[in-house]
Amino acid sequence: TQLLEQSPQFLSIQEGENLTVYCNSSSVFSSLQWYRQEPGEGPVLLVTVVTGGEVKKLKRLTFQFGDARKDSSLHITAAQPGDTGLYLCAGVGAGNNRKLIWGLGTSLAVNP
Amino acid sequence: GAGVSQSPSNKVTEKGKDVELRCDPISGHTALYWYRQSLGQGLEFLIYFQGNSAPDKSGLPSDRFSAERTGGSVSTLTIQRTQQEDSAVYLCASSFGGSEKLFFGSGTQLSVL
Repeated sequence: TQLLEQSPQFLSIQEGENLTVYCNSSSVFSSLQWYRQEPGEGPVLLVTVVTGGEVKKLKRLTFQFGDARKDSSLHITAAQPGDTGLYLCAGVGAGNNRKLIWGLGTSLAVNP
Repeated sequence: GAGVSQSPSNKVTEKGKDVELRCDPISGHTALYWYRQSLGQGLEFLIYFQGNSAPDKSGLPSDRFSAERTGGSVSTLTIQRTQQEDSAVYLCASSFGGSEKLFFGSGTQLSVL
């Protein structure tokens, strides 16, 4: 069974601080997605990483896919209150198993 | 609208009653997913529709749960004889073709008293 573990589960920081959240698995994924979910809303896709070692930047957010395509990280620089939300990673299975495997998420609170 | 629309946004029901949750996907999206999200839990896959293929029902937790998709568009998730453990947010998502890029609705918060 493919599992994705996210850490930390909860994070509360002050505006302007940097942070990194992690998404780890023992399984290989063909690609990995990061979503942000705000209260009362559905998840919104932020980025998809496909190639091992790939780094993608979205303004103050930097996403990295591990070389072996088993793990990923999300780094936020100078966090803002608008970054508050639940960050979910989802892996697309390798081979014929294309089902999305979801992590439990990291709940981030950025305090002004 | 341009996004995935779900209704109702909130539903309070009594244990034992049946409920129907509706999802209107983005026009042209052939794939439609239902997920359940409980507090502190991740997204639990329920069912997946893709075009005219037989749906993947492997995530439905019991035979009280069923879903249909009419005309390749609107979908209804039905929960019969609701139980308190069915209380959760039910999310619908759609995608175009075989893309794994999902577009989610805002969900239906179901509370079973």
